[in-house]
Amino acid sequence: DTGVSQNPRHKITKRGQNVTFRCDPISEHNRLYWYRQTLGQGPEFLTYFQNEAQLEKSRLLSDRFSAERPKGSFSTLEIQRTEQGDSAMYLCASSGTGRGGEAFFGQGTRLTVV
Amino acid sequence: SQELEQSPQSLIVQEGKNLTINCTSSKTLYGLYWYKQKYGEGLIFLMMLQKGGEEKSHEKITAKLDEKKQQSSLHITASQPSHAGIYLCGADRSGGATNKLIFGTGTLLAVQP
Repeated sequence: DTGVSQNPRHKITKRGQNVTFRCDPISEHNRLYWYRQTLGQGPEFLTYFQNEAQLEKSRLLSDRFSAERPKGSFSTLEIQRTEQGDSAMYLCASSGTGRGGEAFFGQGTRLTVV
Repeated sequence: SQELEQSPQSLIVQEGKNLTINCTSSKTLYGLYWYKQKYGEGLIFLMMLQKGGEEKSHEKITAKLDEKKQQSSLHITASQPSHAGIYLCGADRSGGATNKLIFGTGTLLAVQP
């Protein structure tokens, strides 16, 4: 297992277009998290899955954002009708369900909305 | 104000020098994580601290947790250019139930050869 994998690494899109990002977690991890990071800031929590169930969503996750994790494996994050303010690094992390286990991050997908 | 304050915001040190980065929480710490990030890349897990007084080391990096002060420190001994990057602390507010983390704004470290 090579760790958490995110695709694509970079995405440039025009305002108003829809984009979808994919995250493949570490195979034995059943928790998966999405974060957003803007320049000069730490990552901000967006949403969290345990297996296929989306257990928590941040207020940052507007109606234009949707995340899925079918079958409890990979996850997708879709942004509809992108806005310039959506430009950021989108990070995915995974962890096991053991108490206090480490969360491992992927390389991120950098979104630029022009 | 931030739930997690990191200090300093940036740091430039000469190679071989020691340095310390601090992370202070405004709320109870159940777990404290340290990550390193290269510009434009993902986060690399360094260490996780859960118990007051806990101290962990990996190579030349040592992290400590002072639960009473709601603080953690990251100390690098004999810094090298490979230590350069952004250091982020993250706090677990769930008591270990999840790994949902609240992050500080990071400390940018530059190491001059």
